[in-house]
Amino acid sequence: TQLLEQSPQFLSIQEGENLTVYCNSSSVFSSLQWYRQEPGEGPVLLVTVVTGGEVKKLKRLTFQFGDARKDSSLHITAAQPGDTGLYLCAGVPNYGGSQGNLIFGKGTKLSVKP
Amino acid sequence: DVKVTQSSRYLVKRTGEKVFLECVQDMDHENMFWYRQDPGLGLRLIYFSYDVKMKEKGDIPEGYSVSREKKERFSLILESASTNQTSMYLCASSFPGGYYGYTFGSGTRLTVV
Repeated sequence: TQLLEQSPQFLSIQEGENLTVYCNSSSVFSSLQWYRQEPGEGPVLLVTVVTGGEVKKLKRLTFQFGDARKDSSLHITAAQPGDTGLYLCAGVPNYGGSQGNLIFGKGTKLSVKP
Repeated sequence: DVKVTQSSRYLVKRTGEKVFLECVQDMDHENMFWYRQDPGLGLRLIYFSYDVKMKEKGDIPEGYSVSREKKERFSLILESASTNQTSMYLCASSFPGGYYGYTFGSGTRLTVV
């Protein structure tokens, strides 16, 4: 069974600080996705990384896929209160028969205080 | 704007009631999923379907059933609601393989009293 471990589980920071969230596994994934979930809403896809070593930027958010495709990180620069939410990583398993079911991490709950 | 629509945002039901949660997607996705989300436990897959009239058990199917009579609609049924089924329920849909990501509904907060 492939698992994704996210750390930290909780993060509370002040506006303007930088932060990094990690998503790790002992297994290889075909690709990794990051979602953000705001309170009372469903998760929304932010980005998909596919190639080992790939880096994608979305304004102040930087996503990286590990060279071995086993881990990923999300870095937020100069966090703002609007970044508050639950960040979930999800992987497409690298084995057949998964029927496309994503493996989800348990999430990192981020709170950015003004 | 493509979307997944869940019929209720908030629901309060009594123990023993039969509960229906409806989900409709307008993206012509083959795959549809039902999750429950609880603090500290993350997203747990209840059931999924990759075609009309097809269903597969997820990680926690006990106490639940599903129905997919049309491609765009996937229903979750709680046969006899219990207090331990109080949770946030999320429906999602995707193309096969999951490579383009899932589109989630806004969720249904179910409370069983």
